[in-house]
Amino acid sequence: DVKVTQSSRYLVKRTGEKVFLECVQDMDHENMFWYRQDPGLGLRLIYFSYDVKMKEKGDIPEGYSVSREKKERFSLILESASTNQTSMYLCASSFPGPYGYTFGSGTRLTVV
Amino acid sequence: GDSVTQMEGPVTLSEEAFLTINCTYTATGYPSLFWYVQYPGEGLQLLLKATKADDKGSNKGFEATYRKETTSFHLEKGSVQVSDSAVYFCALSHLTGANNLFFGTGTRLTVIP
Repeated sequence: DVKVTQSSRYLVKRTGEKVFLECVQDMDHENMFWYRQDPGLGLRLIYFSYDVKMKEKGDIPEGYSVSREKKERFSLILESASTNQTSMYLCASSFPGPYGYTFGSGTRLTVV
Repeated sequence: GDSVTQMEGPVTLSEEAFLTINCTYTATGYPSLFWYVQYPGEGLQLLLKATKADDKGSNKGFEATYRKETTSFHLEKGSVQVSDSAVYFCALSHLTGANNLFFGTGTRLTVIP
């Protein structure tokens, strides 16, 4: 069964910590994405990548960075976590073209 | 720029009722249109899609028709079940670059027995 796997379902971190969210896909997809989901705001794109070592800023990249050293893995990094980064984080991947995305189950991050 | 507007929720229906969730879009050119569903505690799943005008996407009893003249892609189901309770997202995508998806804010559906 093809899938996108996010390493943690729930995560609690302290303000100022460096946080890594990992995402792995087994579908050989070129494109990978990180979104955050907040009530009333829907999904907002943080960063995306359409190839290994390539990255592009989405709508809300401030406070985040990403890494894509291998095709199957796309990591989201919070350099210094803040309480306003408490959210649900969703990873997705796709082939180029009108095929839609495959999403992971999400990581609910709480920063205290 | 591109955007998607969908009806505000929440929507509460009785089992076997007819469902419509409205979605309209603003985009240049000819985007592809999608409906995603998010069940409680899970990520989003692709429900259906349409890639050109007048196409009808369908899956699990849900349907949506790509109407270019009204820039709409309304989701419908003739008889909802309790298991359809979820959040539904309308989205659009162009075929260029990373084919980024632009999502609506989501509509929460609750179906009561």
